[in-house]
Amino acid sequence: GENVEQHPSTLSVQEGDSAVIKCTYSDSASNYFPWYKQELGKGPQLIIDIRSNVGEKKDQRIAVTLNKTAKHFSLHITETQPEDSAVYFCAASISGFQKLVFGTGTRLLVSP
Amino acid sequence: DAGITQSPRHKVTETGTPVTLRCHQTENHRYMYWYRQDPGHGLRLIHYSYGVKDTDKGEVSDGYSVSRSKTEDFLLTLESATSSQTSVYFCAISGGQGADTQYFGPGTRLTVL
Repeated sequence: GENVEQHPSTLSVQEGDSAVIKCTYSDSASNYFPWYKQELGKGPQLIIDIRSNVGEKKDQRIAVTLNKTAKHFSLHITETQPEDSAVYFCAASISGFQKLVFGTGTRLLVSP
Repeated sequence: DAGITQSPRHKVTETGTPVTLRCHQTENHRYMYWYRQDPGHGLRLIHYSYGVKDTDKGEVSDGYSVSRSKTEDFLLTLESATSSQTSVYFCAISGGQGADTQYFGPGTRLTVL
């Protein structure tokens, strides 16, 4: 079955810096890759997703890149702000099969 | 927020007792899921449902059962709770316009003593 690895487990940056979180997946059939942000005491919230027919997707300060050949995808946050501090999860699935496999999470801390 | 509620939000119980967690949605989505979240493991799928009375096992289904008698409700039951089932449980739904996208509820923190 699918296996998703996520790095780093913790990431500390200064406000205004960029942050990058990387994930690799094992199943070449996976074609849907969402990213979730989880704040303390809350459920994960989708922030961006990408499908395998595109290599990059942006939404304001957030971008995701996908390398199908290498089977890895990354989350890029630019101009980080303290409110970006949270745990971020990547996930992978085969579209239509409804089973998301999650990475183990990255705790991002943005210091003012 | 997607219209998902979970009850109870917190529960403390003793080993060997039965426990039922409830997930309720107001979005009329077809798919519903139960995950558990533990440090170092991320979110792991316990069971999911693809329609009323249609359910299937996930990655960590041992010790858990589910039922879905109505579109809006998905119940997770621990027949005889164990300390290893102490966790935070999240319900999720999908099946709207962006069919792959899963939306999560607020979670239930369960402690088994």
